[in-house]
Amino acid sequence: AQTVTQSQPEMSVQEAETVTLSCTYDTSESDYYLFWYKQPPSRQMILVIRQEAYKQQNATENRFSVNFQKAAKSFSLKISDSQLGDAAMYFCAYRSGDAGGTSYGKLTFGQGTILTVHP
Amino acid sequence: DSGVTQTPKHLITATGQRVTLRCSPRSGDLSVYWYQQSLDQGLQFLIQYYNGEERAKGNILERFSAQQFPDLHSELNLSSLELGDSALYFCASSVAFWDREKFFGPGTRLTVL
Repeated sequence: AQTVTQSQPEMSVQEAETVTLSCTYDTSESDYYLFWYKQPPSRQMILVIRQEAYKQQNATENRFSVNFQKAAKSFSLKISDSQLGDAAMYFCAYRSGDAGGTSYGKLTFGQGTILTVHP
Repeated sequence: DSGVTQTPKHLITATGQRVTLRCSPRSGDLSVYWYQQSLDQGLQFLIQYYNGEERAKGNILERFSAQQFPDLHSELNLSSLELGDSALYFCASSVAFWDREKFFGPGTRLTVL
């Protein structure tokens, strides 16, 4: 079974600064997808960024980028120019790429990291 | 707004009772997923449906059941409720189960007293 670990229960950053959230995962699969979701106080789950394991290039979405290290099974999220609206719980998630498997389609989440942004 | 709707937003009930949570996926989405978010267990996958058929089961208790109807809305039934069932229950949808992106609903907050 796949597991996702976020070792930082809480992080904080000053507005306009950069912060990196860590995530490691364990899998025996070679084909999979990784995601970062944001959960603000409203509790809505919002997709921030995704990475396909077969792609060597790190995904980028505006101020959000990832550092995907497949051999190390590491998938960190970098938030640049942090804004007050970035304050939220961030979840790292894994999805199998095995179309024939019964777990295909389901997301396995880490425990989350609470990000505080200081003005 | 993701386009996924869940009702009710909040539900308060007593131990031993039974409740039904409802989810309407985005228009055109055939796949529905249910997740439970609790302080103890974090975010856990419960069950997945695709076009009316159950496709995958996760850590869903026997006291819980779900179904997806012909109009593609889904219901999660929780019975013999215990204090530990208090959680936020999310529904997510995607066009198909192989889609990379899933859209989450706002969740139903269940409190069992």
